[in-house]
Amino acid sequence: QPVLTQSSSASASLGSSVKLTCTLSSGHSSYVIAWHQQQPAKAPRFLMEVEGSGSYNKGSGVPDRFSGSRSGADRYLTISNLQFEDEADYYCETWDSNTRVFGEGTKLTVL
Amino acid sequence: QVQLVQSGGEVKRPGASVKVSCKASGYTFTSNYLHWVRQAPGQGPEWMAIINPTTGNTKYAQKFQGRVTMTRDTSTSTVYMELSSLRSEDTAVYYCAISGDTSIAYWGQGTLLTVSS
Repeated sequence: QPVLTQSSSASASLGSSVKLTCTLSSGHSSYVIAWHQQQPAKAPRFLMEVEGSGSYNKGSGVPDRFSGSRSGADRYLTISNLQFEDEADYYCETWDSNTRVFGEGTKLTVL
Repeated sequence: QVQLVQSGGEVKRPGASVKVSCKASGYTFTSNYLHWVRQAPGQGPEWMAIINPTTGNTKYAQKFQGRVTMTRDTSTSTVYMELSSLRSEDTAVYYCAISGDTSIAYWGQGTLLTVSS
């Protein structure tokens, strides 16, 4: 069963860029992951999948400011031109034999 | 567009059971898996269960084995999650969600379950 590790918090200034990291546990570095955004008091929203190759596939309506990438076991979510509405919790998800695993989430603050 | 509409909030006593529903629309009900995921206050999401709506086959997280039952009604495109022997630690928002063979793609609005004596 894979384990996903995320930093608990991140912050960046309005209009700048931020890169969030989700790290796959040993032996699972090729896994595909997904990023979900959860704004305060709302349900999560699917943002994108990031494949082991580093390519990413975004959900419908996700702004171009959001992109994905990878390096080894790390999967990244980059948000450019940060807006106040990007202040949210960001969770990564992966799956194995139909079971699902989530990271603990990164709380992003826009300064 | 895809919609997952869940039943309203519940308040239950410890030891009781709860059944939460999720009605799907905007897509072919049998073409995607459905999941239940819960989120305790201040915590990340925790996956509980999955159902294949075509066959009715289910798989449950080991933590919830014996306490959770997921079912579906194809005539109404609705899935249900029943959780028994409730305790205070089950207080959480419960979400239904759909996926294909990969990631969760859509989430319901959530149902708050409060377990309190």
